[in-house]
Amino acid sequence: SQQGEEDPQALSIQEGENATMNCSYKTSINNLQWYRQNSGRGLVHLILIRSNEREKHSGRLRVTLDTSKKSSSLLITASRAADTASYFCATGDTGFQKLVFGTGTRLLVSP
Amino acid sequence: ETGVTQTPRHLVMGMTNKKSLKCEQHLGHNAMYWYKQSAKKPLELMFVYSLEERVENNSVPSRFSPECPNSSHLFLHLHTLQPEDSALYLCASSQFSSGANVLTFGAGSRLTVL
Repeated sequence: SQQGEEDPQALSIQEGENATMNCSYKTSINNLQWYRQNSGRGLVHLILIRSNEREKHSGRLRVTLDTSKKSSSLLITASRAADTASYFCATGDTGFQKLVFGTGTRLLVSP
Repeated sequence: ETGVTQTPRHLVMGMTNKKSLKCEQHLGHNAMYWYKQSAKKPLELMFVYSLEERVENNSVPSRFSPECPNSSHLFLHLHTLQPEDSALYLCASSQFSSGANVLTFGAGSRLTVL
């Protein structure tokens, strides 16, 4: 299985601090994506990084990918209370591109 | 509003009922998905319709039956469910290509089976 596993399962920080979440996976991938889910809602795509990329930025988000270690990290800088949500990594292989999600990291940002 | 609409948002049903979940996408995508989200478990891909071809997860019980009448609509028919089927059911769509597959999700249908 190429299921992603996020670490930590839960993270609690203060506004203004940075939040780092990690994802590990098991098999070769074509790309890795991060999604956010507010409580009881659908997931929202945040960023995609391809297997030949090492780092990608989008606003306050920074994603790294280390294919030799089969791991990725998501950094949210200068966090806000509105960043409170669950964050999931999803891995996609070549071919049909079935996305496999992990169990997520629950982030709580306190004012 | 993401462009993927799910109805109903909440559903309570008994084990002998028959109900359906509906999903509609307004994005012109060519693939649609049903995912099941249970507490403390990874999202489980249940069914995919892509380019009018259905790909299903063989571990999904037959009491769940998908229907995709066209590229914009997707249904999940439910019958004789069990309490452990209570979960958030998420519909998603994508413009499938060989490069990458980015999903757009609906808000979900919260199902409670009594």
